[in-house]
Amino acid sequence: GAVVSQHPSRVICKSGTSVKIECRSLDFQATTMFWYRQFPKQSLMLMATSNEGSKATYEQGVEKDKFLINHASLTLSTLTVTSAHPEDSSFYICSARDRGGGVDTQYFGPGTRLTVL
Amino acid sequence: DAKTTQPTSMDCAEGRAANLPCNHSTISGNEYVYWYRQIHSQGPQYIIHGLKNNETNEMASLIITEDRKSSTLILPHATLRDTAVYYCIVRDWYSGGGADGLTFGKGTHLIIQP
Repeated sequence: GAVVSQHPSRVICKSGTSVKIECRSLDFQATTMFWYRQFPKQSLMLMATSNEGSKATYEQGVEKDKFLINHASLTLSTLTVTSAHPEDSSFYICSARDRGGGVDTQYFGPGTRLTVL
Repeated sequence: DAKTTQPTSMDCAEGRAANLPCNHSTISGNEYVYWYRQIHSQGPQYIIHGLKNNETNEMASLIITEDRKSSTLILPHATLRDTAVYYCIVRDWYSGGGADGLTFGKGTHLIIQP
């Protein structure tokens, strides 16, 4: 299957700082990528849809000024958590939509564990 | 997207076939059945998807009933590494709905027993 990477895999930061997470599709181009968040013992929740060359669309209740998304190329989307607070500590997971070869499937990255002190 | 119903948890002995059911009685004609799994502290892993016919790949088989109201994911020879939460998701990818993110339910926690 297609491969999606995330970097970093784990980050610890102080409250008030910003953290950038990268999501890359390694062997396919993705015009659409997605960002999810998962709190302990809960299911993944969609945060936003990242569209190459245009603005991201955010789910209800997700602050676009706090979670900045940039989809600068067909293989890279970044999520920046600005002015992070302890309640932003979570597992952040991206996925990329692969529409090549007659398949339309989302492939997920390994996730980034964010801890805000 | 159609709603899916899965058992909360299942046990299976190592080496045996694991059969995970999913009900999707309100599925529409354009909707595909997708299966993902999430091993603890990792991102979800795509397993398989299908529309009407049964499908098989190197990971699993997907059996869809003729009326498409339910399906079963089969892991033919379960190993300890198959312990994970398995999600059945119904999606209309090919009619303009593919640009949306996935909605994850609670899934089935499959535990492979040694």
